[in-house]
Amino acid sequence: ILNVEQSPQSLHVQEGDSTNFTCSFPSSNFYALHWYRWETAKSPEALFVMTLNGDEKKKGRISATLNTKEGYSYLYIKGSQPEDSATYLCAFHPYNNNDMRFGAGTRLTVKP
Amino acid sequence: DADVTQTPRNRITKTGKRIMLECSQTKGHDRMYWYRQDPGLGLRLIYYSFDVKDINKGEISDGYSVSRQAQAKFSLSLESAIPNQTALYFCATSDLDRGKAFFGQGTRLTVV
Repeated sequence: ILNVEQSPQSLHVQEGDSTNFTCSFPSSNFYALHWYRWETAKSPEALFVMTLNGDEKKKGRISATLNTKEGYSYLYIKGSQPEDSATYLCAFHPYNNNDMRFGAGTRLTVKP
Repeated sequence: DADVTQTPRNRITKTGKRIMLECSQTKGHDRMYWYRQDPGLGLRLIYYSFDVKDINKGEISDGYSVSRQAQAKFSLSLESAIPNQTALYFCATSDLDRGKAFFGQGTRLTVV
């Protein structure tokens, strides 16, 4: 069973706050972990593709870490801005098939 | 113009009708996917294709069929639509193994 869990389900923060959320995935058969940003009325867009244990990726104020041995990834946003408001999806890609499984997402709202 | 284009963007259909959702891409990618999104469930894979001759079932293929007419075109059909197929449908492409996915704008389908 390829359960991908994201927490929290939703998050409300004030502008300027830093925040983080979690993606949990099966620690066996790991192939890749993707993070996507999905704004309302738009399409999901890729933020990061992570493949190695200990990977750290950064894009502006957003960064992510990966622990494949324990099956989790963290996404961090430093100094949240209202334009960061979106749903953040993670997707687990197992080694033995191509069925990339998405979590339900964390919906972030940043209040001005 | 979008790299991954879905038509129609919105559709309301009656129970029992056959409906086709179309996806075309200009990215030159070999891999194409169809996902559906339901509130609280994330994106679930319906079918995927790695080339014109390669079609694979995803997590929730029952009630759906697909056709890969060309490298650039991948259609999803609901042979006999039912209300629980009401959802937001996304087409996506990727070019590499483990590569990030590029999504279309989505098709909101309502079955009444």
